[in-house]
Amino acid sequence: EAQVTQNPRYLITVTGKKLTVTCSQNMNHEYMSWYRQDPGLGLRQIYYSMNVEVTDKGDVPEGYKVSRKEKRNFPLILESPSPNQTSLYFCASSFRTGRLNSPLHFGNGTRLTVT
Amino acid sequence: AQKITQTQPGMFVQEKEAVTLDCTYDTSDPSYGLFWYKQPSSGEMIFLIYQGSYDQQNATEGRYSLNFQKARKSANLVISASQLGDSAMYFCAMRVDRGSTLGRLYFGRGTQLTVWP
Repeated sequence: EAQVTQNPRYLITVTGKKLTVTCSQNMNHEYMSWYRQDPGLGLRQIYYSMNVEVTDKGDVPEGYKVSRKEKRNFPLILESPSPNQTSLYFCASSFRTGRLNSPLHFGNGTRLTVT
Repeated sequence: AQKITQTQPGMFVQEKEAVTLDCTYDTSDPSYGLFWYKQPSSGEMIFLIYQGSYDQQNATEGRYSLNFQKARKSANLVISASQLGDSAMYFCAMRVDRGSTLGRLYFGRGTQLTVWP
């Protein structure tokens, strides 16, 4: 089954404790991205990747890191989480080259709480 | 810069009635695509419908149709014969056909639709 898998679904942590949210897709998509969703603000892009070893900042990259060492995986790293990073996070992927109509496929989301 | 605006934070509709969710966009790129996603209370993002900027006809997918008015830069989602299961948050999004950013979707802030019996 074609899907984007992100883990964990729920995570409660404390300020400053490094964490990683994993994301994997099995559709051979070039493009992968991380979004955070906050009430009233919609989805805001954190980082995105056009292909292996190619990543770039989105609109709200502060406090986050990513890597794209393999095409299928795109982990999101919070080196020192803070309470303002409490949010619902989505990983998403799509085809990129020449496919304007390719929809983003989303993972099921990770609800992160930082205390 | 690309921008998506959804001016309705919340909408209410009675079951079996039609409802229109508004979306306006701003881009200087002539080639772009518009998407609508549904997010039920369970949280997942579900792709509903797509409209390309050069498409001659409005897109339709079952009970969903997109009222695309290019000159007004609007891409409203029309849901016909609303069902209780349509209650969800709806997001409008846009992608532009530019090499450096192709793939990136720009999202609006969403409209919370409530369908009542």
